[in-house]
Amino acid sequence: QLQLQESGPGLVKPSETLSLTCTVSGDSISTSPYHWGWIRQPPEKGLEYIGTIGDGWSTYYNPSLRSRATIFADTSKNQVSLTLTSVTAADTAVYFCAKTQSMLRGGWGWGQGTLVTVSS
Amino acid sequence: QSALTQPRSVSGSPGQSITISCTGTSSDIGAYNSVSWYQHHPGKAPKLMIYDVSERPSGVPDRFSASKSGNTASLTISGLQADDEADYHCCSYAGAYSHVVFGGGTKLTVL
Repeated sequence: QLQLQESGPGLVKPSETLSLTCTVSGDSISTSPYHWGWIRQPPEKGLEYIGTIGDGWSTYYNPSLRSRATIFADTSKNQVSLTLTSVTAADTAVYFCAKTQSMLRGGWGWGQGTLVTVSS
Repeated sequence: QSALTQPRSVSGSPGQSITISCTGTSSDIGAYNSVSWYQHHPGKAPKLMIYDVSERPSGVPDRFSASKSGNTASLTISGLQADDEADYHCCSYAGAYSHVVFGGGTKLTVL
């Protein structure tokens, strides 16, 4: 059974870089088809797609976050990671790792999420 | 401002039915049969309830149904139960530029 576990610092200072890791168990991140994604939910707001890394390690990003977000995979550790540069208070959110076999079909399976607060 | 528009809250009594709408555009919901719905109890992992507009994953009760008409998708929960009280989020593929969009979420209260 697929399990996704997000981890990383719970507090990041403004202007610094947020780094999160998703450890995957019950599945190999290399087994095609796959899209491993990051999605966030700011307090009292809806979900926001950040981006995904898909088959062939192609990456796709929310246009509003493309300039600051990077998603990459470490197959030796079966992990997918997110970095978000130059964070502000607006980046405070619960960050979720998720998987879909296709962004066009099938829906997403999720991790529990991790809260990241941006504050000095 | 979320890309897809959902009512902030809905409520119903046990046994009743409720419907949650999710309105997008001709570039997302209207263009693709890829609407999915998620149940989220805060602090837990969101759970896939509906995919591909109206398909239920194994284990999701048939009390949950969904459909799409034009740019609007709808989730209906019949025979409301206390455990259905949660946040519900819709999602759609939105093409090669925006990729994936979500709604703002709807809080379901079971009275």
